[in-house]
Amino acid sequence: QSVLTQPPSASGTPGQRVTISCSGSGSNIGSNNIHWYQQLPGAAPKLLIYSNSLRPSGVPDRVSGSKSGTSASLALSGLQSEDEADYYCAAWDDSLNAYVFGTGTKVTVL
Amino acid sequence: QVQLQESGPGLVKPSETLSLTCIVSGGSISSSNYYWGWVRQPPGKGLQWIGSIHYNGDTYSSPSLKSRVTISVDTSKNQFSLLLRSVTAADTAVYYCARLNFWNGNAYDYWGQGTLVIVSS
Repeated sequence: QSVLTQPPSASGTPGQRVTISCSGSGSNIGSNNIHWYQQLPGAAPKLLIYSNSLRPSGVPDRVSGSKSGTSASLALSGLQSEDEADYYCAAWDDSLNAYVFGTGTKVTVL
Repeated sequence: QVQLQESGPGLVKPSETLSLTCIVSGGSISSSNYYWGWVRQPPGKGLQWIGSIHYNGDTYSSPSLKSRVTISVDTSKNQFSLLLRSVTAADTAVYYCARLNFWNGNAYDYWGQGTLVIVSS
């Protein structure tokens, strides 16, 4: 059972904005960086956001991340069909001394 | 461009040991800036962190798997390995190797394509 909780699903129509939440605790999100990964169907995960809000090279600026206290969120603006994927948050947990992934959110573009 | 490639048997019998290797190309495994990790994903389920290793041998493992996991590194071959002992059907999963980068706040920035391991007699 994951210590980072995400909604199982989110959806939107093309062009809309979708937000995914990630809820944790003081030992993970509250004291460490949060990262977000995108996993397209049948593919390996890809780093989407690192250190709470930074985008790796090649990730468009319509993708954004934020963190506040023990929660974080990922926003996808101008939703596109290629955004259909599973999204996972992740962070180091100081109590578990382990890297933990969120439960994952499946984004559907209607 | 760093590339990671997993290799190992796709079928393991229950109670035996799962053994995988990740070959790193396009960069040196012997850099102080990185840890090298394993992540798995059971069919239809989410990502589960297994553990990671630094080239100096420093390792971390998931508490739930720690008693069965050994992660090692071979700098001469630029690769690292995973051993998972006493496997059961619950260990059936796609296993990924990945690079954890200190410079981006400890995120996994490069991933292998993954390899499916089925535990079955």
